[in-house]
Amino acid sequence: DTGVSQNPRHKITKRGQNVTFRCDPISEHNRLYWYRQTLGQGPEFLTYFQNEAQLEKSRLLSDRFSAERPKGSFSTLEIQRTEQGDSAMYLCASSHGGAGNIQYFGAGTRLSVL
Amino acid sequence: EDKVVQSPLSLVVHEGDTVTLNCSYEVTNFRSLLWYKQEKKAPTFLFMLTSSGIEKKSGRLSSILDKKELFSILNITATQTGDSAVYLCAVENNTDKLIFGTGTRLQVFP
Repeated sequence: DTGVSQNPRHKITKRGQNVTFRCDPISEHNRLYWYRQTLGQGPEFLTYFQNEAQLEKSRLLSDRFSAERPKGSFSTLEIQRTEQGDSAMYLCASSHGGAGNIQYFGAGTRLSVL
Repeated sequence: EDKVVQSPLSLVVHEGDTVTLNCSYEVTNFRSLLWYKQEKKAPTFLFMLTSSGIEKKSGRLSSILDKKELFSILNITATQTGDSAVYLCAVENNTDKLIFGTGTRLQVFP
């Protein structure tokens, strides 16, 4: 499968624990995006990378959230000291950038904070 | 603030019906408008629209953009139960991020 891959698919954690999600983009794509989607809403932008550089972060991304893309390939999103309000689907997308910048999405990681 | 509004929020039809989904937007530095279909997992890409008045078509689905009136429509003809999904409209601005609407939930019954 050469699409965007996300792991794990589901994560259940207790409030206060740290969690980390991984995203593997389509191999030739240099842009990688993170979005968050809650029930009944469209995805909301969190942050994105061009290669290893993090170019923009939403104000939704509190200090407890950090994202990395160390070698310009896969990316991780870590949430520290999780809160119940962090429960959501975390979607990753990748694109090649430039004109016709179509973002292709992974299946997401569903986080439930108890 | 950039905004994308979809209507209706929900639609229930019978197989064979034709549906029209609406998307209006207020986005500074518009670059493109995209439609995605979301079943229980990843949003899957349907169309990207950048120019007004040029219809994009794929099978029973078609879409068009009006950049003067700031809206787009997605048409699905001869609907099938497999068309049941949430249809998301998103606008890309010049910072490369997508601003999504809340989606239209379409249910097609046999």
